Amino acid sequence: SQKIEQNSEALNIQEGKTATLTCNYTNYSPAYLQWYRQDPGRGPVFLLLIRENEKEKRKERLKVTFDTTLKQSLFHITASQPADSATYLCALDGAGGFKTIFGAGTRLFVKA
Amino acid sequence: EAQVTQNPRYLITVTGKKLTVTCSQNMNHEYMSWYRQDPGLGLRQIYYSMNVEVTDKGDVPEGYKVSRKEKRNFPLILESPSPNQTSLYFCASTTTPSYNEQFFGPGTRLTVL
Repeated sequence: SQKIEQNSEALNIQEGKTATLTCNYTNYSPAYLQWYRQDPGRGPVFLLLIRENEKEKRKERLKVTFDTTLKQSLFHITASQPADSATYLCALDGAGGFKTIFGAGTRLFVKA
Repeated sequence: EAQVTQNPRYLITVTGKKLTVTCSQNMNHEYMSWYRQDPGLGLRQIYYSMNVEVTDKGDVPEGYKVSRKEKRNFPLILESPSPNQTSLYFCASTTTPSYNEQFFGPGTRLTVL
């Protein structure tokens, strides 16, 4: 069955460093991949979308890579800040986009 | 303000007592979806709707019903709730699902005793 794996352990980093989160998937060939941010007690908020034919996407301090051979996406936050502390969710979709599959998320803590 | 709203935000009920969680969006989106979120399992899709009167099952539809009589509303119905439906529920919408972000509601925390 289709499966998405994100680091279940929380990631703790120092302010100013680059945070790197991993999303691995199996038994799936997604047309695109999305990253969302979720704060405690709130709904996920969209951050970035990358298509299968794109290797890398950037938005301000955020960067996403997508390797369809390795079946992996990396999500980077450069110059991290305490305000970046949240849970980050990876999501996969086929071309139709009707059935999005989400990972369980990785909790990020950025210490001042 | 463009948003997805859900009501109630918190609900404690007892086994077997029918309940409805409402979801409404003001962005004229065609596609709406319901998810449940459980620790360690991530968001799992319950039902989705591609337009008015068009709905389909997601990955975990058992024990749930939905309806889409109006474009803006997509209520989730639990006819006979059971304790294993205790969860955090999110409604989401998007203009067309393909290659587009989803907008999520604030969530409904449901406890079934």
